[in-house]
Amino acid sequence: GQQLNQSPQSMFIQEGEDVSMNCTSSSIFNTWLWYKQDPGEGPVLLIALYKAGELTSNGRLTAQFGITRKDSFLNISASIPSDVGIYFCAGQGNGNKLVFGAGTILRVKS
Amino acid sequence: DAMVIQNPRYQVTQFGKPVTLSCSQTLNHNVMYWYQQKSSQAPKLLFHYYDKDFNNEADTPDNFQSRRPNTSFCFLDIRSPGLGDAAMYLCATSRGSFGTGNTEAFFGQGTRLTVV
Repeated sequence: GQQLNQSPQSMFIQEGEDVSMNCTSSSIFNTWLWYKQDPGEGPVLLIALYKAGELTSNGRLTAQFGITRKDSFLNISASIPSDVGIYFCAGQGNGNKLVFGAGTILRVKS
Repeated sequence: DAMVIQNPRYQVTQFGKPVTLSCSQTLNHNVMYWYQQKSSQAPKLLFHYYDKDFNNEADTPDNFQSRRPNTSFCFLDIRSPGLGDAAMYLCATSRGSFGTGNTEAFFGQGTRLTVV
């Protein structure tokens, strides 16, 4: 089945630093989604990507859909303490099944 | 206003006692998903509905069942909860497009299930 590899597993950074995380897949996806999850809550959608090569921003967040359709990255610029949480990539191939990466735990030191 | 609503937020059930978790949506989306998420892990897809078409994941235990009586509601039934079933259960919806799957998914706040 489709699998996603997400890295890094965790990051502990200084407030103000930029952050980058990525996901790779063994197969092609039609959609890449990036979510943030706070403790005890459901994932919240940050960015949705639908086309190979697409680069989309949402405030300090930028994500790109890789041209091979097998990878995506998420960048966070000038991190702040409220960026703390778990970030998940998710991919959707043919059909409606949505699969998740293992998540990146982000900690920010102020 | 919340668009995907899960009830209850917290559920405590006894070992072996059937329990039902509910999800409702105001988005009129075709697809509804149920995920199981254990601590610090990725959500794991249990099954999903496209309209009334039920799609079970191959590794979802028989102990887990689902019902979707109409577009707005979907239920997760755990017939005989074990200690290993304690987890966060997440419901999600997407507009969906059968065969292409080209839409984003929105999650509820989840139900935290404890088995005692």
